[in-house]
Amino acid sequence: DQQVKQNSPSLSVQEGRISILNCDYTNSMFDYFLWYKKYPAEGPTFLISISSIKDKNEDGRFTVFLNKSAKHLSLHIVPSQPGDSAVYFCAASGGDSNYQLIWGAGTKLIIKP
Amino acid sequence: GAVVSQHPSRVICKSGTSVKIECRSLDFQATTMFWYRQFPKQSLMLMATSNEGSKATYEQGVEKDKFLINHASLTLSTLTVTSAHPEDSSFYICSGEDRRNYGYTFGSGTRLTVV
Repeated sequence: DQQVKQNSPSLSVQEGRISILNCDYTNSMFDYFLWYKKYPAEGPTFLISISSIKDKNEDGRFTVFLNKSAKHLSLHIVPSQPGDSAVYFCAASGGDSNYQLIWGAGTKLIIKP
Repeated sequence: GAVVSQHPSRVICKSGTSVKIECRSLDFQATTMFWYRQFPKQSLMLMATSNEGSKATYEQGVEKDKFLINHASLTLSTLTVTSAHPEDSSFYICSGEDRRNYGYTFGSGTRLTVV
């Protein structure tokens, strides 16, 4: 049973436009959520996180929104740049897996010039 | 920021040999190190969790005698793939828990190819 789901395996966005990556979770005990970016053959790098006590966290071009009632979070990238082309993973922690991360399957973001 | 140095980045070995992968936390103490494996087009799969000075905890389905994990110090954890087979070919990533930032700093990954 997938506790963290990223239902879009890929997303294509025009350069300069907004990229919106979505993530859904099922475990209401999750209280911390993270987004990672991964280039081919490299380890994922941390992008941005959000605690369940917040509904929005912003860092430069990246904003994460959390809707606890819907068990949904999204990552907004604006404006999208060619270097943003990568696979984005969302991850969650909390509850029984306090330090362990539960990962989504990832969404491949392609920024078109 | 926190850095985890992972070596080697790529390794090719013959079937039946052993390969050691090292992860070092350079500017923080990684009390806990996570080891992941990634299959093509799939998410990262947690293999084991190691805490400094104690035995690693392996996920279900991961052979502990095949994937030996040592976490002898707060800055070094190693994963040894013993008697490697072609099906062990994969991308292995470590992650050190950085409790200062409540984050997980990842190594750059090791691409293992067993021929």
